[in-house]
Amino acid sequence: GQQVMQIPQYQHVQEGEDFTTYCNSSTTLSNIQWYKQRPGGHPVFLIQLVKSGEVKKQKRLTFQFGEAKKNSSLHITATQTTDVGTYFCAVPQGGSEKLVFGKGMKLTVNP
Amino acid sequence: DTAVSQTPKYLVTQMGNDKSIKCEQNLGHDTMYWYKQDSKKFLKIMFSYNNKELIINETVPNRFSPKSPDKAHLNLHINSLELGDSAVYFCASSQSGAGRSGELFFGEGSRLTVL
Repeated sequence: GQQVMQIPQYQHVQEGEDFTTYCNSSTTLSNIQWYKQRPGGHPVFLIQLVKSGEVKKQKRLTFQFGEAKKNSSLHITATQTTDVGTYFCAVPQGGSEKLVFGKGMKLTVNP
Repeated sequence: DTAVSQTPKYLVTQMGNDKSIKCEQNLGHDTMYWYKQDSKKFLKIMFSYNNKELIINETVPNRFSPKSPDKAHLNLHINSLELGDSAVYFCASSQSGAGRSGELFFGEGSRLTVL
């Protein structure tokens, strides 16, 4: 089945710093989704990327889909304490209804 | 109005008991899911229903039985609970199949603790 690797699994940053997390697949993806789960909360959809090389921005968050559609990145500029949580990428498995989640990247922010 | 609602939010029970979790969505979506999130935060799909029809059934012990009385409801019944069943169970829905560009809307989760 489709596997997707997220790196790093943990990230601790100082407030105001930038950081990037990555999601890598061994196979070409039709699309990739990103979700955020706050501590004690539930996953919330952030964005979906479909086109090769696509870049989308949401305020301080920049999402990118690789040219080969095998990887994606999430870059956060000037991290704030409100960014704390676990970020998941999710990819469809084999064109099916199934969405497979990466293991997540847990972000903590030092104020 | 809560889009995807689950009950109960917390469930503490003894090993060997049977319990159910209910889920309802008012988004008019066709597809509903159950995901399990363990203590390491791994999110794994368990089941998916499309308009009351089971379309995804992962390798889950047959102690777990989903039931969808209509497309707005998806319940999860667990028999003979084991310690390893302790987790947060999330219900989710999507307009189209999640694998086909349909974003998932998650419920708030049901935290099950088996003692």
